[in-house]
Amino acid sequence: DAKTTQPTSMDCAEGRAANLPCNHSTISGNEYVYWYRQIHSQGPQYIIHGLKNNETNEMASLIITEDRKSSTLILPHATLRDTAVYYCIVRVLISGANNLFFGTGTRLTVIP
Amino acid sequence: GAVVSQHPSRVICKSGTSVKIECRSLDFQATTMFWYRQFPKQSLMLMATSNEGSKATYEQGVEKDKFLINHASLTLSTLTVTSAHPEDSSFYICSAGTGGHEQFFGPGTRLTVL
Repeated sequence: DAKTTQPTSMDCAEGRAANLPCNHSTISGNEYVYWYRQIHSQGPQYIIHGLKNNETNEMASLIITEDRKSSTLILPHATLRDTAVYYCIVRVLISGANNLFFGTGTRLTVIP
Repeated sequence: GAVVSQHPSRVICKSGTSVKIECRSLDFQATTMFWYRQFPKQSLMLMATSNEGSKATYEQGVEKDKFLINHASLTLSTLTVTSAHPEDSSFYICSAGTGGHEQFFGPGTRLTVL
């Protein structure tokens, strides 16, 4: 699985967009980009995933560069409840064995 | 979405005792479940892959005789920490998938070994 690099921490003002970057320069053609977050003392929560195209769901948007070497997770209107550690993970989808290897993630703090 | 539960949510035990943690998929069947461990201020570390009806697959460095995994049914996997010691104190989290992209995580079990 390709290695990812994320900033250790970021702050964002409440109500503003939070843009979380992730570098995955060694990603291969069949690897997806996944984003999960972990609120303190809870299990991780799936946010979004993508392969090539930009994706949007009710939680966030995922922007993947054309060369796929980096991506950005966008929380359009951050709230205090979005304070969490955000993990960017890249891996191939293997049905029934989609275990995940977590890096250090980005600790996002949403400030009132 | 699919729900994964864990029991207990918190456990305190004496050194040398064994502790069993249950992971259940409440509204879906999971042929494969995963167990993670997370120490304070660190990321999640995959311990093992739990396969229904067969032996678990352990990650390098994880002692299979110490961390016993049983996946007896399509909705239940258990992790037993045998002869627990203070260094085993950690946050244990399980996850399961339905074959698609999304993994569903349990709420975690905080183990404290005195």
